[in-house]
Amino acid sequence: GAGVSQSPSNKVTEKGKDVELRCDPISGHTALYWYRQSLGQGLEFLIYFQGNSAPDKSGLPSDRFSAERTGGSVSTLTIQRTQQEDSAVYLCASSIRRSNQPQHFGDGTRLSIL
Amino acid sequence: DQQVKQNSPSLSVQEGRISILNCDYTNSMFDYFLWYKKYPAEGPTFLISISSIKDKNEDGRFTVFLNKSAKHLSLHIVPSQPGDSAVYFCAASADGNQFYFGTGTSLTVIP
Repeated sequence: GAGVSQSPSNKVTEKGKDVELRCDPISGHTALYWYRQSLGQGLEFLIYFQGNSAPDKSGLPSDRFSAERTGGSVSTLTIQRTQQEDSAVYLCASSIRRSNQPQHFGDGTRLSIL
Repeated sequence: DQQVKQNSPSLSVQEGRISILNCDYTNSMFDYFLWYKKYPAEGPTFLISISSIKDKNEDGRFTVFLNKSAKHLSLHIVPSQPGDSAVYFCAASADGNQFYFGTGTSLTVIP
């Protein structure tokens, strides 16, 4: 499809396990964002990729969180040694290169840590 | 530290009436503002935006007002329709790249 695609849509895992969340942005979009929405909260910025520039990691909550973007397209958000407080919906968004452009969001991955 | 605040978690409006959703921000460097709409189990979708050089932007039934001195923006929906029932997020940016989101307002339009 033409939109932002995220997988899996749902993930349930045990505390302490590692998880990988995938995002396929819209073709041609050079900016890619990861956000987290915990229950009853707004969207919390995690990380931002823009083209080949170094990513802005200022929103990552701990060193258990990391993200990569390969070939300027697909991105993977990895959470190591998951904790129950990591349970949230993880949203990916992309936008075209120019600034002040609205982001296009995927439907998110709902992560539940048991 | 929440730089963008939506103080009303929910709002109910009768169909046909005006819905007014409010958003306040603290960072005077913000110069680009957006509203997103989110249905359950879906990602937010872009609705309307405004830059700080304007105080009003209109798109069909949706109008966004910006009051820079008060650091306040609002979204007006008129007339409200049942399909408008969703969670609305406001967002702001100072550099056009990193965006700060509010906690959302859940709008229910009653038929």
